[in-house]
Amino acid sequence: NAGVTQTPKFQVLKTGQSMTLQCAQDMNHEYMSWYRQDPGMGLRLIHYSVGAGITDQGEVPNGYNVSRSTTEDFPLRLLSAAPSQTSVYFCASSLLDSGANVLTFGAGSRLTVL
Amino acid sequence: KQEVTQIPAALSVPEGENLVLNCSFTDSAIYNLQWFRQDPGKGLTSLLLIQSSQREQTSGRLNASLDKSSGRSTLYIAASQPGDSATYLCAGSQTSGSRLTFGEGTQLTVNP
Repeated sequence: NAGVTQTPKFQVLKTGQSMTLQCAQDMNHEYMSWYRQDPGMGLRLIHYSVGAGITDQGEVPNGYNVSRSTTEDFPLRLLSAAPSQTSVYFCASSLLDSGANVLTFGAGSRLTVL
Repeated sequence: KQEVTQIPAALSVPEGENLVLNCSFTDSAIYNLQWFRQDPGKGLTSLLLIQSSQREQTSGRLNASLDKSSGRSTLYIAASQPGDSATYLCAGSQTSGSRLTFGEGTQLTVNP
């Protein structure tokens, strides 16, 4: 059971380039989300999804796009990378139930934008 | 908007000590509260989840409590070990939809 798999683990971009961070889970979780982690800021929610075809914005959505065409995959797209998007990105998933919605995190993707 | 605060930002203790990590939240209408562990360069691992109807949860040497009226949660670690060294984060959810608001974490170092 792989859990939540994120690729790539490391990426360096130049300002203005675009890229996609991949996230896949094999636990049949309805809920998937993307967070970014920055020093002194904690983890902040970027986008989330409660099922295939359904996405919504989190706290810091600007500059990012997501889609959820399947239950398993939830890619995060940076449209035009900016230095402010240098961060560590985490994908997390969980079941949607009455309250014991324990999040399972991926190992993270470290992105540097020059 | 829910805000979550963890104090202290860093804590260093000798091996064997019992310790308490603190988490405060501003909105008492919290759905559940989770404690996570993060090792350097790694993702987060869920330790304990306390639902709003519960007051505490225990797992091995870890005990987490939740006091909604005071806006506080504590993580108690008994008989600390060097392997407990990590950053511990708490996060609160306002609904069943798994949207979590995280604190900034407490970096714990347990010295042999």
